[in-house]
Amino acid sequence: EVQLLESGGGLVQPGGSLRLSCAASGFMFSGYAMTWVRQAPGKGLEWVSSISGSGGSTYYADSVKGRFTISRDSSKNTLYLQMNSLRAEDTAVYYCAKGGPSIAAPKFDYWGQGTLVTISS
Amino acid sequence: DIQMTQSPSSLSASVGDRVTITCQASQDISNYLNWYQQKPGKAPKLLIYDASNLETGVPSRFSGSGSGTDFSFTISSLQPEDIATYYCQQYDNLPPFTFGPGTKVGIK
Repeated sequence: EVQLLESGGGLVQPGGSLRLSCAASGFMFSGYAMTWVRQAPGKGLEWVSSISGSGGSTYYADSVKGRFTISRDSSKNTLYLQMNSLRAEDTAVYYCAKGGPSIAAPKFDYWGQGTLVTISS
Repeated sequence: DIQMTQSPSSLSASVGDRVTITCQASQDISNYLNWYQQKPGKAPKLLIYDASNLETGVPSRFSGSGSGTDFSFTISSLQPEDIATYYCQQYDNLPPFTFGPGTKVGIK
C-alpha cells in the first residue's frame, strides 16, 4: 500500500526557515517523480515544486523560486522541501504527491495528509 | 505560463442530476489534463487522467472529455458523497503544472 506521510510543519516568524519531510512507502521511491502542492486557507491548490525520480531535475513555481529547495533521499525514501525567507503568503497546508515515472507526466495518484505551515509574528 | 479557468465556480444540484464542469486552458495542451476531487479537510484525489481516463477504483459515474483548450468533467448521477471541490490540472510538457481555481459542488 502506497503511503506518504508529511512532517515538519509549524509556526514560523516571517523571514524564518522550515524543512518539510515526506516519508514514502509501498512503491519504488526512486522510480517516480515527486511533487509538493500547497493550499492556503480557504483557497485552491497551487503547484509548488517537482523533482525527478533520480533527483537530477527540479522545478519551482515562480512564487517560491530562489527561496525553496526540493530534494530527495532514496536511501531513506524521503522527499524534502527546504523553505527559507518565509513570507506570510507561504501560509498553507503543504501536500506531497507521488507523480509518474516521468516528471513530464504528473499523474498525482497518491497524496499525503498534508502538513500546516503558518508564517506569523 | 499556461492559465486555467473553470466554470462554474460553484453549483448546487439534486441527487441523481447530471453535473458538468468545464475547464479551459490558455493554450493548446493536447490531452494533458487531470481532474481531482477534494473533500473538506482531506487531500485531493485523482479521478481522471489524460483528460478522459478513469483512475483505477473511481466510480464510472465520473467521466472526462476534451482536448486542445476545452475540457469537461461530468458526474452522470450526483450522489451525496460527491460533495466536494473539483480541480482540473494541466501538465503540458514540463512544469509549472497549473491547477484550475476549482468548482465547489453542493446538494440542492
